[in-house]
Amino acid sequence: KAGVTQTPRYLIKTRGQQVTLSCSPISGHRSVSWYQQTPGQGLQFLFEYFSETQRNKGNFPGRFSGRQFSNSRSEMNVSTLELGDSALYLCASSSGTGGSHEQFFGPGTRLTVL
Amino acid sequence: AQTVTQSQPEMSVQEAETVTLSCTYDTSESDYYLFWYKQPPSRQMILVIRQEAYKQQNATENRFSVNFQKAAKSFSLKISDSQLGDAAMYFCAYRSGSNYQLIWGAGTKLIIKP
Repeated sequence: KAGVTQTPRYLIKTRGQQVTLSCSPISGHRSVSWYQQTPGQGLQFLFEYFSETQRNKGNFPGRFSGRQFSNSRSEMNVSTLELGDSALYLCASSSGTGGSHEQFFGPGTRLTVL
Repeated sequence: AQTVTQSQPEMSVQEAETVTLSCTYDTSESDYYLFWYKQPPSRQMILVIRQEAYKQQNATENRFSVNFQKAAKSFSLKISDSQLGDAAMYFCAYRSGSNYQLIWGAGTKLIIKP
């Protein structure tokens, strides 16, 4: 079974632009979560989607948004990019919701904002 | 709010020796799960081991085992017979039984000396 895939792997943008990152979960997984990883703040939860519904959202400004499609693929969008948005963005999928379900991570998208 | 603390930014161990990584957490919940994840230089986050809070028995996975002290809210990871491939960042994470997000520690960089 193919793992979680994220595209693109690397991205360079300038301040003020917007960006869309994509995540394809493991086949059959309906839950997708997004995390931001930075040297300063560490790993922080962005949001989680299950069956096209956002179930939970972390403490990020409204510039960060996401969605999930009927095939469980998910996208996250960051508008009006700031230098501080430079980070590794990780996507994880699981077969269900709740703490008992293991999350499988993708390789991440490295976003650099200049 | 739940928090996870890893007090060791970096640890080093001789190949074939045993090393223990520390993690403490704070929660008022009774239903939760604890995880250790490994993130090698490739950045792919890999689950090492998990522990259900309701289980008294410590989890083990081959050379990896945990010491789960629920009353002390401590969750340490022991790696036996350390191998060069174990070199990575190790993250301790908490997940509520009713919530979907992982709450992460700051990570411990493990160095294996040949």
